[in-house]
Amino acid sequence: QKEVEQDPGPLSVPEGAIVSLNCTYSNSAFQYFMWYRQYSRKGPELLMYTYSSGNKEDGRFTAQVDKSSKYISLFIRDSQPSDSATYLCAMEMGAQKLVFGQGTRLTINP
Amino acid sequence: DGGITQSPKYLFRKEGQNVTLSCEQNLNHDAMYWYRQDPGQGLRLIYYSQIVNDFQKGDIAEGYSVSREKKESFPLTVTSAQKNPTAFYLCASFGGAGYTFGSGTRLTVV
Repeated sequence: QKEVEQDPGPLSVPEGAIVSLNCTYSNSAFQYFMWYRQYSRKGPELLMYTYSSGNKEDGRFTAQVDKSSKYISLFIRDSQPSDSATYLCAMEMGAQKLVFGQGTRLTINP
Repeated sequence: DGGITQSPKYLFRKEGQNVTLSCEQNLNHDAMYWYRQDPGQGLRLIYYSQIVNDFQKGDIAEGYSVSREKKESFPLTVTSAQKNPTAFYLCASFGGAGYTFGSGTRLTVV
């Protein structure tokens, strides 16, 4: 079993839809949770960073962490074609080493 | 602008050859990382270095080597022992603002 599981998709939704991306994890030692966005042939860029259970909002993006269920989510409201990318969840337990999910390829159709 | 520069962007290697991928950062970060990305597998850690003249193997170090002689530089050599080197390689560093990724090098064996 992988430490971090993420549905690879692909996921295709119409513009303006609410998108939900999810990851589950097995190691309860993970303390920090991140979502990265990666455009084709580019490096990942950090979208959201959180370390506690609950919700964190930044504009159209909301990150949700449920440590009791070992489950994290990223919600995108009012999705735009420019949101089309691969979204990667990542987790860290300290020692500055990230463990990534497989990435979900998202397409927003105009 | 502070950031990470990876070069070259595209690299072609003949079977049996060693090739070196460059990674330079001007963020004054101590920790640097090399990841490999394959379709549907997310990012996997090859090597990391938390300080100059020191580095550790990641999850898939076989067939790769690194050096960290300067804080700014963390080159990765893909040796002929790496049986399936075709992939997208990402360099990252860690500092106060979190992780920063380069734009990647796409290596293809011909």
